Amino acid sequence: GNSVTQMEGPVTLSEEAFLTINCTYTATGYPSLFWYVQYPGEGLQLLLKATKADDKGSNKGFEATYRKETTSFHLEKGSVQVSDSAVYFCALGGGTSYGKLTFGQGTILTVHP
Amino acid sequence: DTAVSQTPKYLVTQMGNDKSIKCEQNLGHDTMYWYKQDSKKFLKIMFSYNNKELIINETVPNRFSPKSPDKAHLNLHINSLELGDSAVYFCASSQDFSSSGANVLTFGAGSRLTVL
Repeated sequence: GNSVTQMEGPVTLSEEAFLTINCTYTATGYPSLFWYVQYPGEGLQLLLKATKADDKGSNKGFEATYRKETTSFHLEKGSVQVSDSAVYFCALGGGTSYGKLTFGQGTILTVHP
Repeated sequence: DTAVSQTPKYLVTQMGNDKSIKCEQNLGHDTMYWYKQDSKKFLKIMFSYNNKELIINETVPNRFSPKSPDKAHLNLHINSLELGDSAVYFCASSQDFSSSGANVLTFGAGSRLTVL
């Protein structure tokens, strides 16, 4: 079955530091990959997505590239801000999943001034 | 305008009680979902409905019963609540359940259930 593995958190960074959150997946077929973000007290919202190999998703300074050869979709940002503090979820969908998203375990990011 | 709204936001109740959480979406989407988020933030799908028809029913106790009166609403009723049911329950919707990929979900703000 499908599965998503994210790097363990929590991650604590200073403002303007470089961020990487690793995500690898196992899937049948040709899935789409997503990063969702959950700010404190809120629901999840889509951060970025990629629907095929070598696609790069980007939004709000965050980027992730769909790497089929390494089954990875790592999230990166060159310079984090305090407002980026949130929980980040890597997710997999499409293929034979009938709309269902399979989520990673989430990575808590805290950015200090 | 709230796209996916859930009520109540907080629910505290005793073991053994029955409770319901309601969800409504005004996006015109065909597909709705219930996800459960545990205390470690892990998210797992429970149910999905497409145009009022059940399409995903994960391994969930029979005490949980979803109901979709129309495609804009998906309610979750829980009987005989147990301590382990304490979690945040998220409703979500998507345009459809197409397997073509890029199926973006819009989530509600969550309903935090605490069973004492």
